[in-house]
Amino acid sequence: AQTVTQSQPEMSVQEAETVTLSCTYDTSESDYYLFWYKQPPSRQMILVIRQEAYKQQNATENRFSVNFQKAAKSFSLKISDSQLGDAAMYFCAYSGSARQLTFGSGTQLTVLP
Amino acid sequence: ETGVTQTPRHLVMGMTNKKSLKCEQHLGHNAMYWYKQSAKKPLELMFVYNFKEQTENNSVPSRFSPECPNSSHLFLHLHTLQPEDSALYLCASSQVGGGGYEQYFGPGTRLTVT
Repeated sequence: AQTVTQSQPEMSVQEAETVTLSCTYDTSESDYYLFWYKQPPSRQMILVIRQEAYKQQNATENRFSVNFQKAAKSFSLKISDSQLGDAAMYFCAYSGSARQLTFGSGTQLTVLP
Repeated sequence: ETGVTQTPRHLVMGMTNKKSLKCEQHLGHNAMYWYKQSAKKPLELMFVYNFKEQTENNSVPSRFSPECPNSSHLFLHLHTLQPEDSALYLCASSQVGGGGYEQYFGPGTRLTVT
């Protein structure tokens, strides 16, 4: 079974600074997808970014980018120029051959003004 | 707005009540999901429907009964719940058969069982 681990329960960042959230996963599959979801206080789960395992190029969406290290099974999220609206719980998720999401336990991000 | 709506947003019910949660997706997807999110616990997948057929039931107690009349609508019927069933219930949809199977979530129903 696949597992997703987020070892940082809480993180904080100063507004306009950069922060990196960590995620590791365990799988024996070679074809899979990885995602970062954001859950703000409204509890709406929002897709932030996705990465296909067969692509070596790291995904980027505006201020959000990932560092995907397939051999190390690592998938970190970098948020640049942090904004107050980035404050949320961030979940890393894996989707493999079963095509169902396995979520990590989440990292609570606080943005300090 | 993700294209997935859920009603009601908040629900308080007694242990002897019967109620239903509704989810509707406007994305043209063919798979729908129910998740339970409790405090201090990871998201728990409850049920999966692909093309209106239930393909997953993760040992969910029978007091939770899903229904998927078509690919756009998903219900969760609740009866004789327990206080430990109080949680946020999230619905999601995805397109199975192409792409990365990313799921799009509704805003959730906050359920309190008294």
